[in-house]
Amino acid sequence: DAMVIQNPRYQVTQFGKPVTLSCSQTLNHNVMYWYQQKSSQAPKLLFHYYDKDFNNEADTPDNFQSRRPNTSFCFLDIRSPGLGDAAMYLCATSSGTGFGEQYFGPGTRLTVT
Amino acid sequence: AQSVTQPDIHITVSEGASLELRCNYSYGATPYLFWYVQSPGQGLQLLLKYFSGDTLVQGIKGFEAEFKRSQSSFNLRKPSVHWSDAAEYFCAVGGPQAAGNKLTFGGGTRVLVKP
Repeated sequence: DAMVIQNPRYQVTQFGKPVTLSCSQTLNHNVMYWYQQKSSQAPKLLFHYYDKDFNNEADTPDNFQSRRPNTSFCFLDIRSPGLGDAAMYLCATSSGTGFGEQYFGPGTRLTVT
Repeated sequence: AQSVTQPDIHITVSEGASLELRCNYSYGATPYLFWYVQSPGQGLQLLLKYFSGDTLVQGIKGFEAEFKRSQSSFNLRKPSVHWSDAAEYFCAVGGPQAAGNKLTFGGGTRVLVKP
């Protein structure tokens, strides 16, 4: 089945220690998104790639970076995690040519100690 | 600017009873509307979507939603709730003018199912 995969599902990192979260997709979609979701809140868009074009949300901290080396993979880098960055991180994809429905991965739960 | 309001933060319903979740949107053009469900510790799963045509749309897991343009609403319904429907539900709006197919999400409604 075509899907969105996120690794790892759970990640523990230390305060200030860089961490990378991974997302891959078999849907061959043009658009990939990274969301941050804190407890009992809606997902908050951090940025998205339309093909190789990177689009940052205005309020995304500089501490968050992303890479998309090819169509299938996208990475979220947190350069110096703070306690406030503990959250669920969701990757999603969209074809970019349809009506905009997004398909989500299972998420990575990040804990910062 | 587009926005989505889900007025109910929590809803408790008995198993077997009907469920209706409210969603109101604000969008300057033709809206594309979505309902997603999120089980604890999981990603979001698309339940159904509306773009045009019949205003009553059917989705997965026995859910349906009705688009009412005059009320700017897209309420989600299920005739008989199962214990496995306990989850968080998000309404979202996008549209042809949304660059990069970005969606605006409502705050979510948490559904608790009583035995």
